[in-house]
Amino acid sequence: GENVEQHPSTLSVQEGDSAVIKCTYSDSASNYFPWYKQELGKGPQLIIDIRSNVGEKKDQRIAVTLNKTAKHFSLHITETQPEDSAVYFCAARLTGTASKLTFGTGTRLQVTL
Amino acid sequence: GAGVSQSPSNKVTEKGKDVELRCDPISGHTALYWYRQSLGQGLEFLIYFQGNSAPDKSGLPSDRFSAERTGGSVSTLTIQRTQQEDSAVYLCASSLNPPYRGGPNYKTQYFGPGTRLLVL
Repeated sequence: GENVEQHPSTLSVQEGDSAVIKCTYSDSASNYFPWYKQELGKGPQLIIDIRSNVGEKKDQRIAVTLNKTAKHFSLHITETQPEDSAVYFCAARLTGTASKLTFGTGTRLQVTL
Repeated sequence: GAGVSQSPSNKVTEKGKDVELRCDPISGHTALYWYRQSLGQGLEFLIYFQGNSAPDKSGLPSDRFSAERTGGSVSTLTIQRTQQEDSAVYLCASSLNPPYRGGPNYKTQYFGPGTRLLVL
């Protein structure tokens, strides 16, 4: 089955700096890669996703890049703000599966003033 | 509009007791998923429903775990004879329609707030 690794497990940045979170996946048949943000006591919320026919996608301060050859994808947050502090999860989904997501172990992002 | 709702939000039970966790998906969403999140860990897939059938139960950790979905809407996850290692947050998600095999139609999974289960 698919395996997703996520790094780093914790990340502390100063407000205004950029944050990068990286994930690798094992199965080249994966074709959909969402990123979720989870705030304390809440369920994960989708913030951005990318499909395997696209190399990069951007939404305001958030961008995701995908390298299919290397089987890794990254989340980039620019101009970080205190409200960006949360746990971020990457995930992958195999083509033709029953659409279950395989998640990374999460990155706790702390944006300090 | 209303999102995915789950109840109860918190549940404390004694080892050996049975518990039922409920999920109300977004109206009109045909696909429903259960995940488990242990403390400080990622999300672990449990089971997936398409309508009332469950084509993928591969993530259920033991036969103490079962789930059903009725009317293509509400789902209940039941854990029998709970153990301390069952303590976790149980998350439910729904999507409008899952991608068919080989199909390009990917659907976002929307998560509920979860049920925090503590087995003493």
